[in-house]
Amino acid sequence: SYELTQPPSVSVSLGQMARITCSGEALPKKYAYWYQQKPGQFPVLVIYKDSERPSGIPERFSGSSSGTIVTLTISGVQAEDEADYYCLSADSSGTIGVFGGGTKLTVL
Amino acid sequence: QVQLQESGPGLVKPSETLSLTCAVSGYSISSGYYWGWIRQPPGKGLEWIGSIYHSGSTYYNPSLKSRVTISVDTSKNQFSLKLSSVTAADTAVYYCARVSMGFGELSPDYWGQGTLVTVSS
Repeated sequence: SYELTQPPSVSVSLGQMARITCSGEALPKKYAYWYQQKPGQFPVLVIYKDSERPSGIPERFSGSSSGTIVTLTISGVQAEDEADYYCLSADSSGTIGVFGGGTKLTVL
Repeated sequence: QVQLQESGPGLVKPSETLSLTCAVSGYSISSGYYWGWIRQPPGKGLEWIGSIYHSGSTYYNPSLKSRVTISVDTSKNQFSLKLSSVTAADTAVYYCARVSMGFGELSPDYWGQGTLVTVSS
């Protein structure tokens, strides 16, 4: 079955840049989406279609894609950015969602 | 504003069927989009369960396909999930969501708050 691979954890100092990667064979053909989830809350979309930012999401959140790897970048990390981040894409049929395992972002 | 709200039993016995309903307000299911279910075991990651279109077309995660049924009731503007033969491994927070699908896209944009379902005797 299709898998998306994320690092389990990323640590970054307050105000620095955080990068979270997600790798998957079909990513060159399917869009990737990034969700932020804080404890006890439902996931919130922070990046869609690889690099687009929804309204209301701070500009410090950006996304990029290169081959089979997509990257979520948070520039100037704030304390409130500490959360779990999940990438999501579609399988080869385009009808089943596949989530990455999630990355816990810790702000030092 | 689109809103989704899950409802159903919070406790299900092993081997029985888990049943949840998602009531949608602020948008007519018949107007488009897909409508999906996603779950998250305590302390673990997100898992896609499946989705349905208002016409009734369904798409299920192969890992759950043999046990899952998603249905839609456009007259009540709601859709439902049934998961049969549950075990403790099915204990999770279950989310319903509106899903954009097509042309390389697949993304939930509106989510319910989620409901915890515990499988235990």
